[in-house]
Amino acid sequence: SQKIEQNSEALNIQEGKTATLTCNYTNYSPAYLQWYRQDPGRGPVFLLLIRENEKEKRKERLKVTFDTTLKQSLFHITASQPADSATYLCALVRGSQGNLIFGKGTKLSVKP
Amino acid sequence: SAVISQKPSRDICQRGTSLTIQCQVDSQVTMMFWYRQQPGQSLTLIATANQGSEATYESGFVIDKFPISRPNLTFSTLTVSNLSPEDSSIYLCSVELPSGSSYNEQFFGPGTRLTVL
Repeated sequence: SQKIEQNSEALNIQEGKTATLTCNYTNYSPAYLQWYRQDPGRGPVFLLLIRENEKEKRKERLKVTFDTTLKQSLFHITASQPADSATYLCALVRGSQGNLIFGKGTKLSVKP
Repeated sequence: SAVISQKPSRDICQRGTSLTIQCQVDSQVTMMFWYRQQPGQSLTLIATANQGSEATYESGFVIDKFPISRPNLTFSTLTVSNLSPEDSSIYLCSVELPSGSSYNEQFFGPGTRLTVL
């Protein structure tokens, strides 16, 4: 069955540094991959989508890469701020109905 | 984008009872999804609810336990039946906007936190 793993449950970094989160998947070849942010007590919020034919996608301080050979996506937050502290989820689309498979998430803490 | 509300935001229920969760969207959408997020776990899709057809359940989830209604394009309910403590979780609904907007981007409600005693 398809499996999606986010390697770190938690990541602590200093303000101003770049945070890098990893998402690996197996038994699947997704057409695209999504990243979401989830704050405590809230539903996930969509951040970025990257297609299989795109190597990299950027949005402000966010950058996502997608390596279909390695079956891996990296999510970077540059110049991190305490407000970036949240849980970040990667998700793959499965099937024609757009069903998403989510990783467990990485809880990012940015210390001032 | 879409704005989604859920009711109730939280509830504490007794074992053996049922809870019905409502999901309201501010625009008409074809596809609505119901997820469960157990403590420390990621989101697991329960079912896909399309208006005008029966809900499609994922492996491990059955209609008798999680009946879903989808009476129109802006509303859905999920009932969690015959509650047990293992059903304690956050339940979230989400929608996917019609094609033409962002590619399969889903918008989530704030979730309903259920505690079963």
